[in-house]
Amino acid sequence: AQSVTQPDIHITVSEGASLELRCNYSYGATPYLFWYVQSPGQGLQLLLKYFSGDTLVQGIKGFEAEFKRSQSSFNLRKPSVHWSDAAEYFCAVGALNFGNEKLTFGTGTRLTIIP
Amino acid sequence: DAGVIQSPRHEVTEMGQEVTLRCKPISGHNSLFWYRQTMMRGLELLIYFNNNVPIDDSGMPEDRFSAKMPNASFSTLKIQPSEPRDSAVYFCASSWDRGNTIYFGEGSWLTVV
Repeated sequence: AQSVTQPDIHITVSEGASLELRCNYSYGATPYLFWYVQSPGQGLQLLLKYFSGDTLVQGIKGFEAEFKRSQSSFNLRKPSVHWSDAAEYFCAVGALNFGNEKLTFGTGTRLTIIP
Repeated sequence: DAGVIQSPRHEVTEMGQEVTLRCKPISGHNSLFWYRQTMMRGLELLIYFNNNVPIDDSGMPEDRFSAKMPNASFSTLKIQPSEPRDSAVYFCASSWDRGNTIYFGEGSWLTVV
């Protein structure tokens, strides 16, 4: 069974500082990996995804993530955060079988931005 | 482009009442998912349809919950009778099974009192 661990429940970062959110996954084959963001009262918006190929993936809003198979990690990064980045961030792992793309989500990391 | 559309956005109901949540997936998508989000359990997959057929309903909590997808553009999640512990945000999501990206609606915020 697939699983995702986001070890940081809450992170506080100063505006303009760099950000890294951690994600570790467990899956028996090559995973599909995703980062979603959820603003208060909103649904989940896809930031980026990794299926194969280049292990450094660029997403929307200036985010990137790096897939490291040896560490079973898919950490999310941003070089300089903005106050609007305050939200909840979810890492997810999906099955590689077409027609069966169930996503398993981590518990989320809440990001607070301070001036 | 229209995203996944859910209704109602917010519902408050009394314990024992029937609740029906509705979802319109993105046009052309052939997979549909119902997720539930709570503080205690996070995001849980309740049921997953592919080409209107339920594929995996192992996440449905109990017989009080049922889901249908009568056609490619509409799905319902019904809770009967509702209980306070069903209070949560229910998300519908859809994807195209050759695309493997799941798009979420804005959720239905259910409160059972």
